[in-house]
Amino acid sequence: DGGITQSPKYLFRKEGQNVTLSCEQNLNHDAMYWYRQDPGQGLRLIYYSQIVNDFQKGDIAEGYSVSREKKESFPLTVTSAQKNPTAFYLCASRTAGNTGELFFGEGSRLTVL
Amino acid sequence: EDQVTQSPEALRLQEGESSSLNCSYTVSGLRGLFWYRQDPGKGPEFLFTLYSAGEEKEKERLKATLTKKESFLHITAPKPEDSATYLCAVNTGFQKLVFGTGTRLLVSP
Repeated sequence: DGGITQSPKYLFRKEGQNVTLSCEQNLNHDAMYWYRQDPGQGLRLIYYSQIVNDFQKGDIAEGYSVSREKKESFPLTVTSAQKNPTAFYLCASRTAGNTGELFFGEGSRLTVL
Repeated sequence: EDQVTQSPEALRLQEGESSSLNCSYTVSGLRGLFWYRQDPGKGPEFLFTLYSAGEEKEKERLKATLTKKESFLHITAPKPEDSATYLCAVNTGFQKLVFGTGTRLLVSP
């Protein structure tokens, strides 16, 4: 079945450590996105990529980094520079163009101890 | 600034008690409005896309409508399994969706 796979589902990190969240899709979508979800707030865009080897900052990119070496994969690294990393992270994708709906993965919950 | 506001924040219904959720928006150029359902600890699940005022979409007990300033998600005779958070998002044409904070719906037997 086609879909978006995020891993790990739960992740614990000590302060000062970098962590990488995986996102893989087999929908043959060109565009991929990372959102952050916090209680009481709408989803906020971290980074997005419309094509391999290209990506753009979203609204809250500080303290995060991404890569897009393959069409299917868009990993997110939460660096130690991110001051409040505890959150629910969602990866999404959609077809090329700018009008279609986003399809989401199941999410990764990161907790900083 | 593009903005999406959902109301109410939370809604509790008895099974079979129909109601509506509201999504009002202020955007520079609407290129689609989306409704999603999100269960606790899961990613949002796509429900509907609406593109122009007057458009309506239906799926089982859910019906979404769109005007120039807002969208409604009507829930007819809800069941407990309809309990979830419902998210509204608008596509402004700048490669990102602007999301509302959602309405938490609880349907009691």
